[in-house]
Amino acid sequence: DAKTTQPTSMDCAEGRAANLPCNHSTISGNEYVYWYRQIHSQGPQYIIHGLKNNETNEMASLIITEDRKSSTLILPHATLRDTAVYYCIVRVRNGVYKLSFGAGTTVTVRA
Amino acid sequence: DAGVIQSPRHEVTEMGQEVTLRCKPISGHDYLFWYRQTMMRGLELLIYFNNNVPIDDSGMPEDRFSAKMPNASFSTLKIQPSEPRDSAVYFCASSSRTSGSTDTQYFGPGTRLTVL
Repeated sequence: DAKTTQPTSMDCAEGRAANLPCNHSTISGNEYVYWYRQIHSQGPQYIIHGLKNNETNEMASLIITEDRKSSTLILPHATLRDTAVYYCIVRVRNGVYKLSFGAGTTVTVRA
Repeated sequence: DAGVIQSPRHEVTEMGQEVTLRCKPISGHDYLFWYRQTMMRGLELLIYFNNNVPIDDSGMPEDRFSAKMPNASFSTLKIQPSEPRDSAVYFCASSSRTSGSTDTQYFGPGTRLTVL
């Protein structure tokens, strides 16, 4: 699976959009971008995934650049409950089943 | 759906004792995973099963660790004998690769293990 690079931490104001970047310059054509988050003392939670088109669900939006070498997870209206570690993972869908969690980005939403 | 259920939520034991962690996956899911999370090493995959059969146990740290899945609704992770360095949060996750699935993993709340 391709390696990803994320900022270590970022702050966001409550009610504002949070934009979380992820670089995956060695991504292969059949690899998807997955985002998970882990709220303190809880198990990781799936957020969204995509291949090349932008995706949106009830939790977030995922914007993937045209060359697919980077992506941005957008939390449209961050709340205090969105404070968590966010993991960007690149892997082949339905491929080898190892989810490689890196260090992620610690997002702190402030009131 | 109740989600992935793990028990116990917290376990404190003494070095040398046997520890058994339990997991009930989401009904209908055909994959089950065991992860371990520590500050030093982050989240690591220990082993995963498909249709109750162990597929990849390369992440199991040593012979003191063993995992079983006797049926589709239950799995155990056993440590015997336990050591202080086994102290961690152990997560169980399940997934489904049936047609139309998102191929995502759903995690349980974890078991926090402390070995004194």
